[in-house]
Amino acid sequence: DGGITQSPKYLFRKEGQNVTLSCEQNLNHDAMYWYRQDPGQGLRLIYYSQIVNDFQKGDIAEGYSVSREKKESFPLTVTSAQKNPTAFYLCASTPGTAYNTGELFFGEGSRLTVL
Amino acid sequence: GIQVEQSPPDLILQEGANSTLRCNFSDSVNNLQWFHQNPWGQLINLFYIPSGTKQNGRLSATTVATERYSLLYISSSQTTDSGVYFCAEHISSGSARQLTFGSGTQLTVLP
Repeated sequence: DGGITQSPKYLFRKEGQNVTLSCEQNLNHDAMYWYRQDPGQGLRLIYYSQIVNDFQKGDIAEGYSVSREKKESFPLTVTSAQKNPTAFYLCASTPGTAYNTGELFFGEGSRLTVL
Repeated sequence: GIQVEQSPPDLILQEGANSTLRCNFSDSVNNLQWFHQNPWGQLINLFYIPSGTKQNGRLSATTVATERYSLLYISSSQTTDSGVYFCAEHISSGSARQLTFGSGTQLTVLP
């Protein structure tokens, strides 16, 4: 089945450690996105990528890094520089272009807890 | 900046009741979507509705682009409808569009 797969679903890490969240899609979508959600809040954009080997910062990119070496993959690294990394992370993709993104589809999310 | 505002922030219904959720935008509407976030956090696409009206079972949505708002109707609500409902709009930002979310409506349907 086509879709977006995020892993791991749950992750615990100690302070000062980097952690990488995986996002893979087999929808042949060009654009991919990472969002962060805190309890009781909406979604905030961390990074997005319109095409392979290109990505842009969103509203809260500090302390995060991404890569887009393949069309189907958009991993997110939460670095030790991120002050409050405990959150729910959602990956998404759309089939469209930069000016007409089309419908957005989400993965099931990764819940990160820093101990 | 561009804003996406949802109302009401919280809504409690008895099973079987109908409800209307609203989403207002401060800019023109382009690629509006409605989502339902279930208790496990998963975001389910409900409607992709830049304009007009769509229906899917007990749910329907209407977007009036000229007046910058969208409405989500839930009829004969069920306990499984509980969760958070988000609207989102693709906002221009630099050379591309980003999906900007409202803060959501927390819906609780009581048995």
